[in-house]
Amino acid sequence: DAGVTQSPTHLIKTRGQHVTLRCSPISGHKSVSWYQQVLGQGPQFIFQYYEKEERGRGNFPDRFSARQFPNYSSELNVNALLLGDSALYLCASSLQVTNEQFFGPGTRLTVL
Amino acid sequence: ELKVEQNPLFLSMQEGKNYTIYCNYSTTSDRLYWYRQDPGKSLESLFVLLSNGAVKQEGRLMASLDTKARLSTLHITAAVHDLSATYFCAVDPPGANSKLTFGKGITLSVRP
Repeated sequence: DAGVTQSPTHLIKTRGQHVTLRCSPISGHKSVSWYQQVLGQGPQFIFQYYEKEERGRGNFPDRFSARQFPNYSSELNVNALLLGDSALYLCASSLQVTNEQFFGPGTRLTVL
Repeated sequence: ELKVEQNPLFLSMQEGKNYTIYCNYSTTSDRLYWYRQDPGKSLESLFVLLSNGAVKQEGRLMASLDTKARLSTLHITAAVHDLSATYFCAVDPPGANSKLTFGKGITLSVRP
């Protein structure tokens, strides 16, 4: 079975631009979470979605938004990019909200 | 606010010797996860510890959880080069299912 997939793999943007990252969960998983991992740090929780509804939001500015589609895939949007948004963005899926999460390969975003 | 601390942050290990690394967390939680991350890669799930006294073993790694002490240990038996990676522990905050809070990670390097 395919694991969590994310696209694109790498992305280079300039300050002020907007970016959309995409995630497809493991088949049958209904919950998707997003994490940001800055180099040298542990991942930080950004959002969790379950059945297309937001179930949790981390301590990130309103420039960050997300949504989940009827097929349970998800998008993370970041507006007005800052240099500090450069990071590895990880998507994780789980069967339900409370189950173990499985992580995708990540999207590495570089903001110049 | 939940805090997760890992120590040491870096550990140079000699092949064949045994080592223990630690994960402390600041508030009550009954679920703790250990992940492995190779450079530039995503997170690989190692262990899910769901109750006080839980012990799990996989190959040369054994993880345990003491919820009263808010402490998890990861014991490495007879270190080998393949174990070189960064190891993260993560905890579910109380009442916030699957919104994982991660430690900063422990980088293990195994030398001959």
